Amino acid sequence: EAGVTQFPSHSVIEKGQTVTLRCDPISGHDNLYWYRRVMGKEIKFLLHFVKESKQDESGMPNNRFLAERTGGTYSTLKVQPAELEDSGVYFCASSDSSAPNTGELFFGEGSRLTVL
Amino acid sequence: GENVEQHPSTLSVQEGDSAVIKCTYSDSASNYFPWYKQELGKRPQLIIDIRSNVGEKKDQRIAVTLNKTAKHFSLHITETQPEDSAVYFCLNQAGTALIFGKGTTLSVSS
Repeated sequence: EAGVTQFPSHSVIEKGQTVTLRCDPISGHDNLYWYRRVMGKEIKFLLHFVKESKQDESGMPNNRFLAERTGGTYSTLKVQPAELEDSGVYFCASSDSSAPNTGELFFGEGSRLTVL
Repeated sequence: GENVEQHPSTLSVQEGDSAVIKCTYSDSASNYFPWYKQELGKRPQLIIDIRSNVGEKKDQRIAVTLNKTAKHFSLHITETQPEDSAVYFCLNQAGTALIFGKGTTLSVSS
């Protein structure tokens, strides 16, 4: 069975440009999470989907970030326009737990974003 | 305040020693307490978890203990080995979000 996959693995863009990150969760996993690590080791929560609905988006930093999960399968995270402070590693994770936030999260390898 | 506080930030031990990392949480409704390990350049992976109906769980050299009264849970690694060197994170519920602790960098020297 395929794990969580993320694309691209690394993206280098100029400030002001747009980038779209994609996450394919494990098939059948209703819960999908986005996290990011910016400087150092701390990993910050961005948002949580249950199927196609946003369960919690309290971690989204501002309106330059837009996450979608049409059809409840893969998800995209768009940053538009990108700023220097958006650089970091964006992790996606999925879970099949019927009770959200109480089951194992399976993480992707992460998408490294560098904004110049 | 923070929903989950993790200490220490860094921990250096000699091979064979024990290591303990603690997380304190604030959400009384929390009922699931996992620990993740992230090796350099790799994805976080679950190493052990515990649910609120038990106080301790062991898996070989790794154990997790839970004190619901004091609202903290701890990761215990015994007989540490160099391959245990990594960043360890606790996760905890904060409302409908699942929040990482700030991470503990464990270094095991041989």
